[in-house]
Amino acid sequence: DQQVKQNSPSLSVQEGRISILNCDYTNSMFDYFLWYKKYPAEGPTFLISISSIKDKNEDGRFTVFLNKSAKHLSLHIVPSQPGDSAVYFCAASGSRSNDYKLSFGAGTTVTVRA
Amino acid sequence: NAGVTQTPKFQVLKTGQSMTLQCAQDMNHEYMSWYRQDPGMGLRLIHYSVGAGITDQGEVPNGYNVSRSTTEDFPLRLLSAAPSQTSVYFCASSRKWGYNQPQHFGDGTRLSIL
Repeated sequence: DQQVKQNSPSLSVQEGRISILNCDYTNSMFDYFLWYKKYPAEGPTFLISISSIKDKNEDGRFTVFLNKSAKHLSLHIVPSQPGDSAVYFCAASGSRSNDYKLSFGAGTTVTVRA
Repeated sequence: NAGVTQTPKFQVLKTGQSMTLQCAQDMNHEYMSWYRQDPGMGLRLIHYSVGAGITDQGEVPNGYNVSRSTTEDFPLRLLSAAPSQTSVYFCASSRKWGYNQPQHFGDGTRLSIL
């Protein structure tokens, strides 16, 4: 049973507009969350992370929001650019040594239209 | 700076054959791991290693073996290939074994079992 869920397999957005990607998790032991970006024929690359002690983390055009009570996080990309077209994976882990292993969502494919 | 290197990039096997997927990193990372990516499933952890000589099972270890004789190399062995092992395989590494250690991924090996 998947503990990290990305319920939208795809998202299409116009260049310059906001992209919002959503992620839900079920394991209450998760308290560290990451987003990875993946281009075709390449491996995932780390994008941004957030610890459960925060509700927001920002890095340039990318902001991750965490709602721990709802077990929900989202990634905002503002403004969206053509180079943002990729698959985005949400991942989660615990902060105790037996919970370090990452659990990944199935991914959301983002297409930025010119 | 090569990062994480996986070979081969593509491989076709017949059911029952064995093979080894190679993974090497040049960043002196302690932690290395193998994932498989299947449609609609995200990345699932097969095996991981927290240092030379230490390996452990992940979420989907059956049918795979690993060893870690050096810090740099972490090969994944398929003992007797089955069609269910058709997948894209990613090797990843991080500096330490921990929850706030983003992983660096190789570009993957696309494996088809006929």
